[in-house]
Amino acid sequence: GAVVSQHPSRVICKSGTSVKIECRSLDFQATTMFWYRQFPKQSLMLMATSNEGSKATYEQGVEKDKFLINHASLTLSTLTVTSAHPEDSSFYICSARGPGHRSYEQYFGPGTRLTVT
Amino acid sequence: DAKTTQPTSMDCAEGRAANLPCNHSTISGNEYVYWYRQIHSQGPQYIIHGLKNNETNEMASLIITEDRKSSTLILPHATLRDTAVYYCIVRVAINTDKLIFGTGTRLQVFP
Repeated sequence: GAVVSQHPSRVICKSGTSVKIECRSLDFQATTMFWYRQFPKQSLMLMATSNEGSKATYEQGVEKDKFLINHASLTLSTLTVTSAHPEDSSFYICSARGPGHRSYEQYFGPGTRLTVT
Repeated sequence: DAKTTQPTSMDCAEGRAANLPCNHSTISGNEYVYWYRQIHSQGPQYIIHGLKNNETNEMASLIITEDRKSSTLILPHATLRDTAVYYCIVRVAINTDKLIFGTGTRLQVFP
């Protein structure tokens, strides 16, 4: 149980376009989801915390107008990279706080590799 | 949240125990020690967590020193599939949301 999926797993887009990445909790409800970014050979960097039904909380230095987060339901959060540039190329990973008795865990999705050409 | 220090990399022979250390000398009394790992090009996976007592589950054991300034994650019989980056994270309470990842330890298990 407690599976998190992401779609797409890989995406290539042209500079200046927008890309949407979906994060779904498949078998549990997630009131809180998180978005991370990871550059090659680096650690995960928390970008924002997404709460169902309210605005996302962004970490310092993350542009909220560029990385739009929508958590419209208890099982879906989306990250839209707007006006993508090559420097936005990265591995984007979402996670969700575990359900009920497993709320001490975060369950991570498999990640989405974004390449901006 | 307290900062952690881990060795950059470690090697371990398959079938042997892998002992991964973590220093967290500024840990507060209400902060837990968590371990996650990330296999290449995948999302991280929860391993184990503890407050002050040693913990064991089906994946690993966690040994926390009495002063709580350091801990060791033990994989009792490492396999090639345990090759990954292991992250030691310290955070307040058990359901505080943020996970702040450090640089982790890259464990290479060899045949």
